[in-house]
Amino acid sequence: QQQVKQSPQSLIVQKGGISIINCAYENTAFDYFPWYQQFPGKGPALLIAIRPDVSEKKEGRFTISFNKSAKQFSLHIMDSQPGDSATYFCAASIGNFGNEKLTFGTGTRLTIIP
Amino acid sequence: EAQVTQNPRYLITVTGKKLTVTCSQNMNHEYMSWYRQDPGLGLRQIYYSMNVEVTDKGDVPEGYKVSRKEKRNFPLILESPSPNQTSLYFCASSLRTRSYNEQFFGPGTRLTVL
Repeated sequence: QQQVKQSPQSLIVQKGGISIINCAYENTAFDYFPWYQQFPGKGPALLIAIRPDVSEKKEGRFTISFNKSAKQFSLHIMDSQPGDSATYFCAASIGNFGNEKLTFGTGTRLTIIP
Repeated sequence: EAQVTQNPRYLITVTGKKLTVTCSQNMNHEYMSWYRQDPGLGLRQIYYSMNVEVTDKGDVPEGYKVSRKEKRNFPLILESPSPNQTSLYFCASSLRTRSYNEQFFGPGTRLTVL
């Protein structure tokens, strides 16, 4: 059972454009929603994260939008650059000092073309 | 440099030949975890450990074993590998002093079982 559904599977965006990746979750107990960025041959690395008490979080060109009632969250990359080409994973977890398990989406391969 | 290391990075083996993938972190993290990454499935947790001598199953533990005898090390053991364990494996670690901790991932081990 896929608890975090991610779309699209792949995305091609022109340089300077906006990249948007969407995720939906089922478990209402999730209360931490990070995005991880993975470059080829590397492990995932935390990019940005949000908690459900806010609807938006922005860090530079990266913004998470969160809709608690719809159980959806998305990553927006403004002014997309070739260096943003990577695989992006949304994730969700329950921050209760228990198993800090991240439930990941299936990933989006983003390609920024000149 | 704070990091998670994994060895080997690449491994080709045959069905039934026991193998161990090592994972070590130098950040004094309590929490360590193993994930496998497969196309279209994202990252799925295999086993995790909340501290020395404390381990538990994740989502896909069948065919794997782990041990946590020291805080810094968390080896993944495949006692009788099968072709369906061909995958990209990641070790991760994080602090447990507060909730919503960033997980730090190793560089990955690409395993092929023939």
